[in-house]
Amino acid sequence: KNQVEQSPQSLIILEGKNCTLQCNYTVSPFSNLRWYKQDTGRGPVSLTIMTFSENTKSNGRYTATLDADTKQSSLHITASQLSDSASYICVVTGEALNFGKGTSLLVTP
Amino acid sequence: GAGVSQSPSNKVTEKGKDVELRCDPISGHTALYWYRQSLGQGLEFLIYFQGNSAPDKSGLPSDRFSAERTGGSVSTLTIQRTQQEDSAVYLCASSAQLYGYGYTFGSGTRLTVV
Repeated sequence: KNQVEQSPQSLIILEGKNCTLQCNYTVSPFSNLRWYKQDTGRGPVSLTIMTFSENTKSNGRYTATLDADTKQSSLHITASQLSDSASYICVVTGEALNFGKGTSLLVTP
Repeated sequence: GAGVSQSPSNKVTEKGKDVELRCDPISGHTALYWYRQSLGQGLEFLIYFQGNSAPDKSGLPSDRFSAERTGGSVSTLTIQRTQQEDSAVYLCASSAQLYGYGYTFGSGTRLTVV
């Protein structure tokens, strides 16, 4: 069964700190993996997209990694800002879209 | 129900026909989102409902698209005079609290306009 598991479910960190969000999947065949950021009441914004051959991809303070062998991806946020407070969703494309339930991140002053 | 339910799971329609897609959110979830994903594209935000507030329709691509949410629960996305470029997977998601806690997607409706 194709599954996408994200952890932690929710996270609270202090402004300026780093954090790492995890996405493990069992999707096969595998086409690509995307991380999205969704602010409350807004549509999701794509942060990164990675295919099988890509290990790391950065977008500003966001760095995603992909280990296609272990079927794990992480999203690392550096020097967090209050505006990083949002839901982060991992979506794995196989024969269909497979969505994680997201990690809710709250950055506090 | 245990999850977000969407129906139908697949819909094939002729160009020019109207279609209705249904979303049953998780009971108690006040926020409901509609998205679509076209082949090879990322998620495209369509519309957002939050409680009894006026919906955010900023993502609707044209006036052929409309959505309703009755009683703060079930939502219907209507596409009038469908075009081939409307072919996509239409996804619904709901969440309970601020910052999207418990954010859950439905399995989607695959719409094909022929």
